[in-house]
Amino acid sequence: EAGVAQSPRYKIIEKRQSVAFWCNPISGHATLYWYQQILGQGPKLLIQFQNNGVVDDSQLPKDRFSAERLKGVDSTLKIQPAKLEDSAVYLCASSLDMRDGAQYFGPGTRLLVL
Amino acid sequence: EDQVTQSPEALRLQEGESSSLNCSYTVSGLRGLFWYRQDPGKGPEFLFTLYSAGEEKEKERLKATLTKKESFLHITAPKPEDSATYLCAVQSHGSSNTGKLIFGQGTTLQVKP
Repeated sequence: EAGVAQSPRYKIIEKRQSVAFWCNPISGHATLYWYQQILGQGPKLLIQFQNNGVVDDSQLPKDRFSAERLKGVDSTLKIQPAKLEDSAVYLCASSLDMRDGAQYFGPGTRLLVL
Repeated sequence: EDQVTQSPEALRLQEGESSSLNCSYTVSGLRGLFWYRQDPGKGPEFLFTLYSAGEEKEKERLKATLTKKESFLHITAPKPEDSATYLCAVQSHGSSNTGKLIFGQGTTLQVKP
């Protein structure tokens, strides 16, 4: 069974530029999550999708971050414009159901904002 | 507010030296507690789910236990390949509609040969 795929793996941009990350979850998983992990900290949930719909985006900085999950499969997370404090690893995860705490994570995208 | 605190932040062991990692939590009704392992440059990997006080789960050299206020991850006779960051996360009944996980900051374990 293929795992969660993410791209790119690394990205370096300057502040005020925009960037987008892509995620392909495990086949059949209805729930998709985007997390931000700052060095030395645990992952923090940014947004959660159940199929096409958003179920939790309470910690998403909506003035600069946006995400979509078209057709209930792949998802993209965008930052525009980026700030220095956005430097982090962005993790995508999926699970069979949104009440399932056993989430499966991708390798992450390491973002550095200069 | 749901909160998870892990200790110690870092732990160095000699190969074969058993020890325990701690995860303390405060939640508005625990629905589940989860342990993950994270290797450098990789995403977290699911290890265990614990649902009620007194429950235990084992996998190779790892054993997770749960009380009403904390969980322990016991590592018996660790090997260098057990070196990783171990993350604890909780899911509360308050978040049962979305299943949101709250993660601790992790314990970084280094096992020296």
